[in-house]
Amino acid sequence: GAGVSQSPSNKVTEKGKDVELRCDPISGHTALYWYRQSLGQGLEFLIYFQGNSAPDKSGLPSDRFSAERTGGSVSTLTIQRTQQEDSAVYLCASSFGTGNYNEQFFGPGTRLTVL
Amino acid sequence: QKEVEQDPGPLSVPEGAIVSLNCTYSNSAFQYFMWYRQYSRKGPELLMYTYSSGNKEDGRFTAQVDKSSKYISLFIRDSQPSDSATYLCAVVSWGKFQFGAGTQVVVTP
Repeated sequence: GAGVSQSPSNKVTEKGKDVELRCDPISGHTALYWYRQSLGQGLEFLIYFQGNSAPDKSGLPSDRFSAERTGGSVSTLTIQRTQQEDSAVYLCASSFGTGNYNEQFFGPGTRLTVL
Repeated sequence: QKEVEQDPGPLSVPEGAIVSLNCTYSNSAFQYFMWYRQYSRKGPELLMYTYSSGNKEDGRFTAQVDKSSKYISLFIRDSQPSDSATYLCAVVSWGKFQFGAGTQVVVTP
């Protein structure tokens, strides 16, 4: 596709349920990033992938959060036993590489609401 | 303390005015500096980037970096209602991006 796509665009779930968020990066982009955006908090880095490997998982807020990437393409962010504080917009970005300047192209995000 | 500080606004200006946005950062190791624009319910998109102190112009946009003060700015000249968006600064070191909270800008006709 022309850009980064994410699904679903909106997700409403009940506290305690598991959710899966999907990201399709731009074809050929080897690096993939997940961020969380809460009101007034800016973009919070969660994890990034270089190929299928995740060299930096330091941003994952708890062990309820996990992510994987298969075939160097699609990535899934899973949140287990969701809590109300998990409500946010989850953004995915991809880039050609992970050097100091590699423009990150963002998807439209998944808006997660935990009731 | 956050590594990048940015006033969240909102900043409201009349059409045609100059919009002035800024961020401060704490770590002198940051090497690249970027500004992203984010429209409502969209992902951020890159506006400008620079890696040296000084000014960089692109049309109505000017990015300014002062590494000695750890201060970056974005100026928008002749602002238009279509410039209404959230503007996020980003600083980069060794490929790791740190984003500011974003400043919401509203340009009123």
